[in-house]
Amino acid sequence: DTGVSQNPRHKITKRGQNVTFRCDPISEHNRLYWYRQTLGQGPEFLTYFQNEAQLEKSRLLSDRFSAERPKGSFSTLEIQRTEQGDSAMYLCASSSGTTGLGGTKNIQYFGAGTRLSVL
Amino acid sequence: DAKTTQPNSMESNEEEPVHLPCNHSTISGTDYIHWYLQLPSQGPEYVIHGLTSNVNNRMASLAIAEDRKSSTLILHRATLRDAAVYYCILRDPFKAAGNKLTFGGGTRVLVKP
Repeated sequence: DTGVSQNPRHKITKRGQNVTFRCDPISEHNRLYWYRQTLGQGPEFLTYFQNEAQLEKSRLLSDRFSAERPKGSFSTLEIQRTEQGDSAMYLCASSSGTTGLGGTKNIQYFGAGTRLSVL
Repeated sequence: DAKTTQPNSMESNEEEPVHLPCNHSTISGTDYIHWYLQLPSQGPEYVIHGLTSNVNNRMASLAIAEDRKSSTLILHRATLRDAAVYYCILRDPFKAAGNKLTFGGGTRVLVKP
């Protein structure tokens, strides 16, 4: 396993179109995260899964956004009716998540991201 | 949530040490201090983390103030490959909020040959 894989790396779309991104996490990791990063800013949390359960969603995740992780392995992030403000880098990360003392490290391993440009 | 404050940018000469400060005056007792770096066009990458004691690994050292209100990431000998944005992040593994990373603006490190 070579790490977190994201596809596509780049996506150009027209305003109003739907787009879907895929993330393949490190195989033994039970937690998967999505972040969004705009130019010059740090990544912002969008949502995360523990296995197939979506446990938290940010207020940034509007109704046009939906994320799934159907079998607790890969995940997809779909944006419907894209807007120019959706243009950003979408980053996926995974970790072997535990809480409490066992989770003091909980390194998140990031993919290279999908850069979305909405024209 | 406790926040961190970092300088926007720092410059260093190649092969010299780099000291990256981070202020976190509202840190709680169970917040761990994590550092990630991000190279251009890449996702963030874990560097190091600590709670109270100074920490060393093959990438860097983390010096934590006695009152834990500040910390410093130390790159011992900067190389051109160390040019990146470095993020200081607080995580509480005992709280649900600790499941995600909250990034600030980070410090952009420029390394001059």
